[in-house]
Amino acid sequence: GAGVSQSPSNKVTEKGKDVELRCDPISGHTALYWYRQRLGQGLEFLIYFQGNSAPDKSGLPSDRFSAERTGESVSTLTIQRTQQEDSAVYLCASSDRLAGNTGELFFGEGSRLTVL
Amino acid sequence: QQPVQSPQAVILREGEDAVINCSSSKALYSVHWYRQKHGEAPVFLMILLKGGEQKGHEKISASFNEKKQQSSLYLTASQLSYSGTYFCGTEGLTGGGNKLTFGTGTQLKVEL
Repeated sequence: GAGVSQSPSNKVTEKGKDVELRCDPISGHTALYWYRQRLGQGLEFLIYFQGNSAPDKSGLPSDRFSAERTGESVSTLTIQRTQQEDSAVYLCASSDRLAGNTGELFFGEGSRLTVL
Repeated sequence: QQPVQSPQAVILREGEDAVINCSSSKALYSVHWYRQKHGEAPVFLMILLKGGEQKGHEKISASFNEKKQQSSLYLTASQLSYSGTYFCGTEGLTGGGNKLTFGTGTQLKVEL
């Protein structure tokens, strides 16, 4: 696609339910990031995928959070047993880390999660 | 480790200049700068890859002092369109691989 695509754009769920957020990166981009942005706050790193390497999961806040990526394409971020503090915009970004490229991040529009 | 940005917020009159600073406690491979407008996704401004490098983008430029592990973003003759939150992102030289960690952001508001 032309840009990074995320779905759903908005999700309202009840506390305790599981949610799945999807990210479709720019074709050919080897790197994919998930960030969380709470209202009025900065970009909190969650997880980083680079090619076929093991993902860097060091930012996942608890074991309720997990993410997968199929090869160098779609990624899903799953939050189990959602809590109200999980309410935030979840941003996905991709970049091309091949030699000669700057590695700038291209962000999707985000998935706004509201946990009631 | 998250880089530290200063100031947290700044208000400018159109045409004034501003400097936003970003510092890290670890040795850096690169520094990225992004701008995010309210309700929108962050947009890339520039990346600095070498110590002492300075880059420009319209009237926005940046420097990277590799020794001090610091970067500064310079906005000259500010325009209303410059309003938004500016984030620096850093990649470390060792440990943490290439993951990009962002600072807490600097809110910039340009007024008439």
